Amino acid sequence: SQQGEEDPQALSIQEGENATMNCSYKTSINNLQWYRQNSGRGLVHLILIRSNEREKHSGRLRVTLDTSKKSSSLLITASRAADTASYFCATVPDGGTSYGKLTFGQGTILTVHP
Amino acid sequence: DAGITQSPRHKVTETGTPVTLRCHQTENHRYMYWYRQDPGHGLRLIHYSYGVKDTDKGEVSDGYSVSRSKTEDFLLTLESATSSQTSVYFCAISPSNRPTEAFFGQGTRLTVV
Repeated sequence: SQQGEEDPQALSIQEGENATMNCSYKTSINNLQWYRQNSGRGLVHLILIRSNEREKHSGRLRVTLDTSKKSSSLLITASRAADTASYFCATVPDGGTSYGKLTFGQGTILTVHP
Repeated sequence: DAGITQSPRHKVTETGTPVTLRCHQTENHRYMYWYRQDPGHGLRLIHYSYGVKDTDKGEVSDGYSVSRSKTEDFLLTLESATSSQTSVYFCAISPSNRPTEAFFGQGTRLTVV
């Protein structure tokens, strides 16, 4: 079963605009992570936010986490054509030794037009 | 690519044949994983390993087995391939200092005909 559900499934914007993707999950988490996947490639880790954090920044990325609503959002500011990719949220469950046993959402396909 | 090499990168095989995919890492990481990626399902965990000869099942382990006889190699075997196992398979590792994060290989595209 999928822990994370992402919204929207696809997003098309112009260069310079901001892109916002949302992720909802079902169970208590230790942390939530966002990954990017370029076409035909493996996934690349972008950012991790822990359950006791509400917001985190990394360059042009801003992630928020609302554990009461079991949701997260990824904001990419001033998007570039090179940001065109699929973006996935992934959760690590709370408790125990979960290592990298991630549960992924189905992803959002972002297209940034030059 | 976190020092991960998957082989082969592409394979076409017939239904009923055994298939082994290899994941090789060069950085001595303890934790290794096999995921499959399918349209509409995202990535799903097949098996994982937390050390040599220490493996466990993930969410979609039926029809798959794994072995890890050396730290650097994690093998995924489809005992008797079926068309439902047509997928892209990704190996991943987690470094000890970031144990809940995953770093992925380039993937193996497997087609079962």
